[in-house]
Amino acid sequence: SAVISQKPSRDICQRGTSLTIQCQVDSQVTMMFWYRQQPGQSLTLIATANQGSEATYESGFVIDKFPISRPNLTFSTLTVSNMSPEDSSIYLCSVLDSSYEQYFGPGTRLTVT
Amino acid sequence: AQKITQTQPGMFVQEKEAVTLDCTYDTSDQSYGLFWYKQPSSGEMIFLIYQGSYDEQNATEGRYSLNFQKARKSANLVISASQLGDSAMYFCAMRELSANQAGTALIFGKGTTLSVSS
Repeated sequence: SAVISQKPSRDICQRGTSLTIQCQVDSQVTMMFWYRQQPGQSLTLIATANQGSEATYESGFVIDKFPISRPNLTFSTLTVSNMSPEDSSIYLCSVLDSSYEQYFGPGTRLTVT
Repeated sequence: AQKITQTQPGMFVQEKEAVTLDCTYDTSDQSYGLFWYKQPSSGEMIFLIYQGSYDEQNATEGRYSLNFQKARKSANLVISASQLGDSAMYFCAMRELSANQAGTALIFGKGTTLSVSS
């Protein structure tokens, strides 16, 4: 199984600022995903990030607000830009391994004040 | 479009009893996978069990079993002999599988909060 780490684990940010979340995997994976989990809610897919191509965003999420980088097969970043209190959520990185099982990172708890 | 429905916002069970968490799904694909995850208060997502649409047997993993009824499009999770540590949020999820099994991202239901009491 893939082991995923995320940095930071939590942060408190002021509105209008940006935060970049890092996701590191201990093995090479083709497909990486970013999810958002708002307080008390389920997980919502933000985008799919494949190495060597532009991220594919789900309806309601745009690149200007959530730019994603995927420079190699073990690393990705998600930036939450121009933050507002509505962006307060847990952001989770997830990967699909060679057995097509999906694993999740520990999440980044973001609070925007 | 694929959709996952979990109609039980919360469930309560006594220790050592069995509990069933409901999940129905909707998809037009013939090939798909169904998953259950546990999310304790710490926030981590813990994979519990997987059922493929072509699997003839219901999946089992220790105290977890998946009651898969394909015609009814349901994939209920059964937890036998509940323990206090089972108290958590439980999510049902689905992935439609492309012809090469590469798949797409999981889509989640709204979740069910399970509370186990002594």
